[in-house]
Amino acid sequence: DAGITQSPRHKVTETGTPVTLRCHQTENHRYMYWYRQDPGHGLRLIHYSYGVKDTDKGEVSDGYSVSRSKTEDFLLTLESATSSQTSVYFCAISDGTGNSYEQYFGPGTRLTVT
Amino acid sequence: AQSVTQLDSQVPVFEEAPVELRCNYSSSVSVYLFWYVQYPNQGLQLLLKYLSGSTLVKGINGFEAEFNKSQTSFHLRKPSVHISDTAEYFCAVSDRRDQAGTALIFGKGTTLSVSS
Repeated sequence: DAGITQSPRHKVTETGTPVTLRCHQTENHRYMYWYRQDPGHGLRLIHYSYGVKDTDKGEVSDGYSVSRSKTEDFLLTLESATSSQTSVYFCAISDGTGNSYEQYFGPGTRLTVT
Repeated sequence: AQSVTQLDSQVPVFEEAPVELRCNYSSSVSVYLFWYVQYPNQGLQLLLKYLSGSTLVKGINGFEAEFNKSQTSFHLRKPSVHISDTAEYFCAVSDRRDQAGTALIFGKGTTLSVSS
């Protein structure tokens, strides 16, 4: 299994509070991604990173920010959590070299906003 | 924009029966195609991928998929399923063959339920 960990694995928070989710990889892969998974929607891209300090928005980026100060860590921040952000969040990595376009996923973080 | 359609949200089958999970994508440009499996309360695991070459791709756990460019399809098949194949299956596509690291576009998933 690819060395990807996510923390916390479960979190319950109140509306309006800031929340930060962490993704940590030991594979030294260049690309990292944050997705959210909701019933009936599959996985949707929130933000991704193509290098240290290099990030870009995905399909559902409103209300989220990210940071990547080290190759191994990619943080997702909900500045002011809302109930619509209750979801399961997955981090993924890809080295993007040669023919290796597949992504490897972490175990997920289940976030509940009350 | 590229999109992926998984034609069945749920597929119930009996153990040892064959199964096909259908996936169509929208773009006619050259693409990379993937199938992932998600077991309950776990992350996604790559089943198989099509990058180029033979249109019949074999993956893990006895699954295979066939790329059909004219029909823009990438259906997943298994000749005989087991109870342990019960999971959610996602089809995904990347149409940026010139840009490594482009995020994948996922279908909404198909829940395969295998019963005895």
